[in-house]
Amino acid sequence: GDSVTQMEGPVTLSEEAFLTINCTYTATGYPSLFWYVQYPGEGLQLLLKATKADDKGSNKGFEATYRKETTSFHLEKGSVQVSDSAVYFCALSRSNDYKLSFGAGTTVTVRA
Amino acid sequence: SQTIHQWPATLVQPVGSPLSLECTVEGTSNPNLYWYRQAAGRGLQLLFYSVGIGQISSEVPQNLSASRPQDRQFILSSKKLLLSDSGFYLCAWSVSGSTDTQYFGPGTRLTVL
Repeated sequence: GDSVTQMEGPVTLSEEAFLTINCTYTATGYPSLFWYVQYPGEGLQLLLKATKADDKGSNKGFEATYRKETTSFHLEKGSVQVSDSAVYFCALSRSNDYKLSFGAGTTVTVRA
Repeated sequence: SQTIHQWPATLVQPVGSPLSLECTVEGTSNPNLYWYRQAAGRGLQLLFYSVGIGQISSEVPQNLSASRPQDRQFILSSKKLLLSDSGFYLCAWSVSGSTDTQYFGPGTRLTVL
C-alpha cells in the first residue's frame, strides 16, 4: 500500500537558519504530493503541492521538488522565522483513491 | 471563495455520553467531505468520507458514525463515547470528482473523561 515517511523531529532551529525536512514515499503510479502545515491548536493548511515528476511547489519561501527517481519530496526553506514554528506533514494522493496518506509529521521550533 | 467551519471548537464529554460534531462548507457545490482524527502521537487517520448526500464510506470500523444530511454538511456522531475517542477531529473537503487537494477545517478538540 501507499506510505509516506518523513524525518522524525522535533527539529529546533535558530532564526534565519536553513530548514530541510526529508520526505520519501511508496506508491504505485504517479501520485500527487503535498506539504501541509499545522500551527498550534489549528487545522492543517496546504503549504504547497506538486502533481508530476520534476514539478516544484513553492509558497511563503518554502519549496519542494517532486523527484520520481528518488521517490522524494523534501521541504526546504532558506531562512526560517519564529512564525514558521509548526508541525509539517508530507502527504500523497492517487487519482483513484479518496484517501490522503500522511507522514507522521515533523515538529519544527524556531528560536529567536 | 470556499470556507469550512467546524463546531464546537472544544468539547469535554464523559465516557458513555453521545457525540455530535458538525462540519459545513461554503462556496462550493457537491464537495467530497472527509472526517479525520488526530490522536496524540498517532498522526492523521481517515475515519469517513462522502462523495454525495447520504453516501458514506467508512475507513476504520469503530465507535463512530457519520452522516451527510445536506450537500455541504457532514456530521460525526457516537452513541456512547469511549476514552479512546479523545483526539483532534478534522473535517476536510475536496472538489467534487477530484481525489487531489483536500482543504481542512479548524478542528474540534474532544476530551473524553
